[in-house]
Amino acid sequence: GQQLNQSPQSMFIQEGEDVSMNCTSSSIFNTWLWYKQDPGEGPVLLIALYKAGELTSNGRLTAQFGITRKDSFLNISASIPSDVGIYFCAGHGGSGGSNYKLTFGKGTLLTVNP
Amino acid sequence: KAGVTQTPRYLIKTRGQQVTLSCSPISGHRSVSWYQQTPGQGLQFLFEYFSETQRNKGNFPGRFSGRQFSNSRSEMNVSTLELGDSALYLCASSLGQGIGQPQHFGDGTRLSIL
Repeated sequence: GQQLNQSPQSMFIQEGEDVSMNCTSSSIFNTWLWYKQDPGEGPVLLIALYKAGELTSNGRLTAQFGITRKDSFLNISASIPSDVGIYFCAGHGGSGGSNYKLTFGKGTLLTVNP
Repeated sequence: KAGVTQTPRYLIKTRGQQVTLSCSPISGHRSVSWYQQTPGQGLQFLFEYFSETQRNKGNFPGRFSGRQFSNSRSEMNVSTLELGDSALYLCASSLGQGIGQPQHFGDGTRLSIL
C-alpha cells in the first residue's frame, strides 16, 4: 500500500528559528495536506495543496507540492512557542488505491524553546 | 460555524464488550471518514461514508463497522473489543469526495480497553 515517510521525527529549536519538514511517498498523490495536532485535540488543517509545483502560504507557514507529486515540504518561519505540536503530512488520492482516503505520515514533533 | 463533534470524548470498556462512537460533521458536509490513531501505528484510515454508503474501507477486521444517517451524522461500532483497540478514534468530514475538499477533524474519542 501507499506509505509516507515524514522527516524529521522530532525537532527541538529556539524561538525565532525557521523550521523545515518534509514528506516523501512511494507513489503519487493528487493532494497534499499539512495538519497540526495539539495534545488532546484532533488534527487541524494548516495548508492544502492541489497542483504539482504549487507553493502556498498561510501566515508564517509555507508548503509546496513537489513537482513529481511524490513529495511535499512545510516551512515555518520565525517560530514561536505556540508552534509546539505534532505536524502531519497527508496524501489524498494516487495510483495505488482509493482516491479518497488520507494516508498520513508518522508526524514531526516540534518543540520550541522560548 | 460548528466544527466536527465527536461523542463521547472518553470511554472505558473491558475486553469482549462492544462500543458505539458518534460523529456529527460540519453542517453541509456529506463525507465522513474515520481514523484510528495509536502511538505505534499513527493515523490509520478505517472507512469513509458518503450519502449513507460506505465508499472506502481500510485494512481493519470486520469487528469495526460504521454507518451514516440521512443527516450525514455517522456512527462507528467496534464489537468484541480487544486490548489493542485502545486508541484515539478520529472522525473527519468534508463537503464531498472530490479534489479541493479537504477533511476537517473532530477532537476524537479516547477509547481505553481494560
